[in-house]
Amino acid sequence: DTGVSQDPRHKITKRGQNVTFRCDPISEHNRLYWYRQTLGQGPEFLTYFQNEAQLEKSRLLSDRFSAERPKGSFSTLEIQRTEQGDSAMYLCASSTPDGRGQGIRNEQFFGPGTRLTVL
Amino acid sequence: AQSVTQLDSQVPVFEEAPVELRCNYSSSVSVYLFWYVQYPNQGLQLLLKYLSGSTLVKGINGFEAEFNKSQTSFHLRKPSVHISDTAEYFCAVWTLDTDKLIFGTGTRLQVFP
Repeated sequence: DTGVSQDPRHKITKRGQNVTFRCDPISEHNRLYWYRQTLGQGPEFLTYFQNEAQLEKSRLLSDRFSAERPKGSFSTLEIQRTEQGDSAMYLCASSTPDGRGQGIRNEQFFGPGTRLTVL
Repeated sequence: AQSVTQLDSQVPVFEEAPVELRCNYSSSVSVYLFWYVQYPNQGLQLLLKYLSGSTLVKGINGFEAEFNKSQTSFHLRKPSVHISDTAEYFCAVWTLDTDKLIFGTGTRLQVFP
């Protein structure tokens, strides 16, 4: 396994279009996270899954955003009716929960990200 | 609510010089602390983490950090930097009640020959 992969690496779209990104986590990892990173900022949490269940969504995730992980493996993040403010790097990470069922003692492995530019 | 402050947005330093990247956090509950590095056009890689035990934590690539609870700090240090250390460094905090990472705004370390 070569780590977390994301596709595409870059996406340029016009305002109002829909876009979808894919994340393939490390195969044995059952937790999957989505973050957004804008220029000059650190990653901001968007949502995360444990297996196929979406356990939490940030207030940053407006109604135009939807994430799925239908079979508990890869995940997709869709943005509908994109706006210029959606331009950012979208990062995916995966991990396994520790013995307490919490995600943090085991390292989150990050993918290379998808850079979205909305014109 | 938890927050992380990285006071220095950029730190320029010459090769083989020591460096310290500062990180302060705010939290009313116990925290776990992390430093990640991001090279251009890549995702984040974990440098080191503090969960419990010794307050001095050693990580990869010769980096270390010290957890100071009274000063709510977790500064990252390296005694001698290399050109290859040029990257963006992010401090992050995790708490039991949030169960997610909160990142600082990052510090860009620029190492000059």
